[in-house]
Amino acid sequence: AQTVTQSQPEMSVQEAETVTLSCTYDTSESDYYLFWYKQPPSRQMILVIRQEAYKQQNATENRFSVNFQKAAKSFSLKISDSQLGDAAMYFCAYRPPQGGSEKLVFGKGMKLTVNP
Amino acid sequence: GAVVSQHPSWVICKSGTSVKIECRSLDFQATTMFWYRQFPKQSLMLMATSNEGSKATYEQGVEKDKFLINHASLTLSTLTVTSAHPEDSSFYICSAPPGVNPETQYFGPGTRLLVL
Repeated sequence: AQTVTQSQPEMSVQEAETVTLSCTYDTSESDYYLFWYKQPPSRQMILVIRQEAYKQQNATENRFSVNFQKAAKSFSLKISDSQLGDAAMYFCAYRPPQGGSEKLVFGKGMKLTVNP
Repeated sequence: GAVVSQHPSWVICKSGTSVKIECRSLDFQATTMFWYRQFPKQSLMLMATSNEGSKATYEQGVEKDKFLINHASLTLSTLTVTSAHPEDSSFYICSAPPGVNPETQYFGPGTRLLVL
């Protein structure tokens, strides 16, 4: 079964600095999808970024970028120029390839604190 | 992005009563929706997959008769917590994948249930 591991339960960063959140996963598939979701205190789950495993290029969304290392099964999220609004729980998630289960497999999450 | 709504956002009920939570996809059709439960400071736990026009698929350990799911249309799924008890108090979240990007799930804002 696929698993997603977020080994750091909490991290903190100074405003305007850069922070990297780690995520590793386990799968025997070659084609799949990876996601980072953000859950602020409102508890609304917000999609931050997605990565298709067949794409070698790392996904980027404004201040958010990923370092996708397929062979190492690693999917880290880098937040640049951290803002107070980035404070939230961050969940890494895995989805099997199309045609298989649509279920997302989540990591346990990581709480990010942004210090002014 | 795709928008998913939930109603109500907050509900308090007496032990033994039933509570219905609605999940709607506002700008897309969803043949599949997912229901999650989240305890404080924990990750999302998938309860069931809601399928339009057919029975829901429940995860292991989830009581089908306790958590009734009805996917009445391509934009609406409901979760009914029957004979609610204090241990059912939790945060319930739904999600749906839009047809354009079926591998990506978009989440509703969640429903906080408190059973007294």
